[in-house]
Amino acid sequence: EAQVTQNPRYLITVTGKKLTVTCSQNMNHEYMSWYRQDPGLGLRQIYYSMNVEVTDKGDVPEGYKVSRKEKRNFPLILESPSPNQTSLYFCASSLDGQETQYFGPGTRLLVL
Amino acid sequence: AQKITQTQPGMFVQEKEAVTLDCTYDTSDPSYGLFWYKQPSSGEMIFLIYQGSYDQQNATEGRYSLNFQKARKSANLVISASQLGDSAMYFCAMREEGDDMRFGAGTRLTVKP
Repeated sequence: EAQVTQNPRYLITVTGKKLTVTCSQNMNHEYMSWYRQDPGLGLRQIYYSMNVEVTDKGDVPEGYKVSRKEKRNFPLILESPSPNQTSLYFCASSLDGQETQYFGPGTRLLVL
Repeated sequence: AQKITQTQPGMFVQEKEAVTLDCTYDTSDPSYGLFWYKQPSSGEMIFLIYQGSYDQQNATEGRYSLNFQKARKSANLVISASQLGDSAMYFCAMREEGDDMRFGAGTRLTVKP
């Protein structure tokens, strides 16, 4: 089944404790991206990647890191999480960045 | 400046009736794509429908259609014969060529039995 998977689905952590949210797609998509969703703001892009070893900042990259060492994986790293990073995070992928994006199930993060 | 505007934070519709969710966008790029996504209470984002800026016909997918008015820069989603399972948040999004996908703030649709 073609899909985007994210882990964990739910995470509660404390300020300053490094965490990684994994994202993987099995559709051989070139383009992958991370969004955060906050009430009243819709989805805002954090980082995106057009291909392996190519990553770019989206609208709200501060406090986040990403890497794209393999085509299928695009982990999101929070080196020192803060409470304002409490949000719902989505990973998405598409064939080439211009086509429809397919989203993972979301990761709900709470930073205390 | 806001690129995608959804002016209806919440909408109600009676089951089996049609409903239109508004979306206006702002771009000077001649090439762009417009998307609608559904987000049920479970949280996942479900792609519904796509309209390309050069498409002559309005996009349709089952009970979903996109009322594309290019000159007015609007891309309203029409859901015909609403069902209880249509209750969800709906997001309009746009991608200009070579740019990120931008989302509106969303409209929460509630279908009443």
